[in-house]
Amino acid sequence: DAGVTQSPTHLIKTRGQQVTLRCSPKSGHDTVSWYQQALGQGPQFIFQYYEEEERQRGNFPDRFSGHQFPNYSSELNVNALLLGDSALYLCASSNRVLAKNIQYFGAGTRLSVL
Amino acid sequence: DQQVKQNSPSLSVQEGRISILNCDYTNSMFDYFLWYKKYPAEGPTFLISISSIKDKNEDGRFTVFLNKSAKHLSLHIVPSQPGDSAVYFCAASVGGGATNKLIFGTGTLLAVQP
Repeated sequence: DAGVTQSPTHLIKTRGQQVTLRCSPKSGHDTVSWYQQALGQGPQFIFQYYEEEERQRGNFPDRFSGHQFPNYSSELNVNALLLGDSALYLCASSNRVLAKNIQYFGAGTRLSVL
Repeated sequence: DQQVKQNSPSLSVQEGRISILNCDYTNSMFDYFLWYKKYPAEGPTFLISISSIKDKNEDGRFTVFLNKSAKHLSLHIVPSQPGDSAVYFCAASVGGGATNKLIFGTGTLLAVQP
C-alpha cells in the first residue's frame, strides 16, 4: 500500500518565479493538507482540500494556492517566490470518515529560493 | 503566537532508560493531541495520540500523559532504543476528525546513546 508520495523531492528556484508541488494521498484517503516547515521549526498549516475545494486555510498569503483533482491528488502553487519561502513542504492525507485525527505525511519537497 | 511549545530543543538518554519529552499548550480549545516522529529526509510519522477526555494512552513502549489543568502533555518511551533517535513533534487540534488542522510544536531532538 503506497503511502503519501510527493514530487519533486528537491527544487531550486529564483526569487519571483513560480513553483508547483505535487502530492498523491495514501490509498483510501480523500483529504489533503499542506504544511510548510522552515528550518528549526515545526510544520505550519497552509491549507486543506476536500472534494476539490479549499476547506481550511492557515495564515499564508494569496501567493499560496492549491488544487485538488478528482483522484484526490493535489498541487500546491506558490507565485512570486521570496527567499523566505525556502522550506520543506509537506503534504498530509487523511480520510474524513475514518477520522481518528491522524494525518499521514509524505517525505516532503525541499524548496530552495535563491 | 506559539500555541504549542516544546521547550527542550534536545534530549540525550542512555539505551534502556526512560525518555520523557514534554509539550505545553496555551489554547484551551485543543481537544486532541498527537506525537509524530521524524527522521532526516523523511516525513513525520504518527506515533501516538490522546483525546482530551483521557489522561493517559499507551501503545507498547510509548505512553502519552495529558494534564489538562496544566495544559501539559508528555511522551514517555520505555525502554529507549537507539532507533528511537529522531525529532519528536507534539501537535494539537481543535475538534474531532482527521480533517482538522494540526498545530505543531518546534520539536525535540532525541538522541539515545547505545
